[in-house]
Amino acid sequence: QVQLVDSGGGVVQPGRSLRLSCTASDFTFSDYNMHWVRQAPGKGLEWVAVFWSDGSKQYYADSVKGRFTISRDISKNTLNLQMNSLGVEDTAVYYCVRDDLGYGMDVWGQGTTVTVSS
Amino acid sequence: DIQMTQSPSSLSASVGDRVTIRCRASQDINTYLNWYQQKPGKAPKLLVYAASALQSGVPSRFSGSGSGTDFILTISSLQPEDFATYYCQQSYSIPPLTFGGGTKVEIK
Repeated sequence: QVQLVDSGGGVVQPGRSLRLSCTASDFTFSDYNMHWVRQAPGKGLEWVAVFWSDGSKQYYADSVKGRFTISRDISKNTLNLQMNSLGVEDTAVYYCVRDDLGYGMDVWGQGTTVTVSS
Repeated sequence: DIQMTQSPSSLSASVGDRVTIRCRASQDINTYLNWYQQKPGKAPKLLVYAASALQSGVPSRFSGSGSGTDFILTISSLQPEDFATYYCQQSYSIPPLTFGGGTKVEIK
């Protein structure tokens, strides 16, 4: 069945790095824009980054630009988020999301929790 | 950046009530507006895309309307499983993709 499985979260100290991964099943990865969206504890949804379906563009929220890198491995059907220089403000549940190009963000991973704490 | 403003931020309603949630964009976004439902501890779920199209499998008591800057999500007869937080999201201009602040629907 069509699904996304998020992984890689954990507890990390401020200033350190973490790499999140999202593995897709039962759909062609390169047909969709793929996003990371996060949600801080008790807060709303915040868009983080997008990887364009044709691989031509990656965009980032201002809050993570220069620190986070989104990448894709089509052979493994995997979306990654490399997070460097983490701060306490990056503490959140991170969701990998499929964007059905005009038809909404229709498939969400289960989320992986990142806690930045000393 | 396009700002999305939802109102109210929370509401209390009873089973069977008609519920209306509003979302306003800071500029014209045509019908590039989606609605999501999120229950505690779960990922959001797409309810409505392109302002008024119901996602497959979503009950018909949910409906969306609007265009330009003003949008509405309506639940015609609130059911127990509808108590959740609802978010609007614009897909007209990226980056950044932006969400509304959310509307929490609670039991009266």
